[in-house]
Amino acid sequence: ETGVTQTPRHLVMGMTNKKSLKCEQHLGHNAMYWYKQSAKKPLELMFVYNFKEQTENNSVPSRFSPECPNSSHLFLHLHTLQPEDSALYLCASSQERQRLRDTGELFFGEGSRLTVL
Amino acid sequence: AQKITQTQPGMFVQEKEAVTLDCTYDTSDPSYGLFWYKQPSSGEMIFLIYQGSYDQQNATEGRYSLNFQKARKSANLVISASQLGDSAMYFCAMREIQGGSEKLVFGKGMKLTVNP
Repeated sequence: ETGVTQTPRHLVMGMTNKKSLKCEQHLGHNAMYWYKQSAKKPLELMFVYNFKEQTENNSVPSRFSPECPNSSHLFLHLHTLQPEDSALYLCASSQERQRLRDTGELFFGEGSRLTVL
Repeated sequence: AQKITQTQPGMFVQEKEAVTLDCTYDTSDPSYGLFWYKQPSSGEMIFLIYQGSYDQQNATEGRYSLNFQKARKSANLVISASQLGDSAMYFCAMREIQGGSEKLVFGKGMKLTVNP
């Protein structure tokens, strides 16, 4: 496999359920990200991990709990979600820029479409 | 205030024609980067093209070119010879320093439909 893979692609859960989203990158990158994409809104950065350490928590509610066991895997644990949490959750990875001219672009997975009933 | 503004919610273009997708940005950083991503219905965000703030020439990648006008703070994407597969959402994004670390900020996106 290559690139960034996310599972599951689709998830329906009730507000009392506990589920997890998984992301795996095969690019050798050292940074991984969770983004939330809601309808008609810009992508919202949720969490950033650099070398397995969380470096960004963008005021995300505690019902979302990230986990990064190594630089290739990233999880988003979900519990007691609300219907407004229904969205496409995108995982991305990037390589730390070594030089100013390095682009540092993000490589995204196809996302996990979450529906909270 | 929005950092990235994409004012066109949707555009239609005939196959084989060129199309320009607008993007304006707002930053006070002297060093920043501008990106365009394509998101087809499958959901994956696909990197298309990058322009660094210090780059003297406009970036080009195959059928994609970036019309970078620094003084106007605009970074429009030009797609030449549109193809049916170009139908997708397109997002403009900017990398800037926030809180001591680099972050990518996205616009709301716009939908491009290529007609046969």
